[in-house]
Amino acid sequence: KNEVEQSPQNLTAQEGEFITINCSYSVGISALHWLQQHPGGGIVSLFMLSSGKKKHGRLIATINIQEKHSSLHITASHPRDSAVYICAVTDFGNEKLTFGTGTRLTIIP
Amino acid sequence: DSGVTQTPKHLITATGQRVTLRCSPRSGDLSVYWYQQSLDQGLQFLIQYYNGEERAKGNILERFSAQQFPDLHSELNLSSLELGDSALYFCASSGGLGGTYNEQFFGPGTRLTVL
Repeated sequence: KNEVEQSPQNLTAQEGEFITINCSYSVGISALHWLQQHPGGGIVSLFMLSSGKKKHGRLIATINIQEKHSSLHITASHPRDSAVYICAVTDFGNEKLTFGTGTRLTIIP
Repeated sequence: DSGVTQTPKHLITATGQRVTLRCSPRSGDLSVYWYQQSLDQGLQFLIQYYNGEERAKGNILERFSAQQFPDLHSELNLSSLELGDSALYFCASSGGLGGTYNEQFFGPGTRLTVL
């Protein structure tokens, strides 16, 4: 069974700061997902990656398969980025998601 | 808007009762997943259906059951409800052949409160 750990659990930063959220997992995976959960509860898929790096706007996700580690970066952070960011993985041979506990990000204007 | 719909948005009921949560996947998606998010357990996988057949089972209680209908919508049935069943229940869907690399799209969730 894969164990997914995220750090930090909570992160407060000033608007404009560069943000990094980390995720590590214990067993080899087929894909890693970064999700965003807004205060209202809805979940949005930000990235799905199995190698390398992906970029979408101010968001960048990287993964190191050998080290079983991924990072989510936010450049020029903005108060609207305030949300819970959740790392999840899919193991080989199945499609279900195993989730980390999430990182609560608060960006102060 | 992910294209996945869930009804109802909120549900308040009493212990011992039975409820049904409904999910309509994105057009063309064959896989439906059910997840539970509670304060103490976080997000957990319950069950997956692919084109009407059960494909994977997670931490789903025996009091809970699900099915996927020929039009691909899915229902999650929760019976003999307990206080601890209060949670957000999410449905997600993914497309095509249901391959491992498919991105999952989440519905808005159903918030269940058991009193």
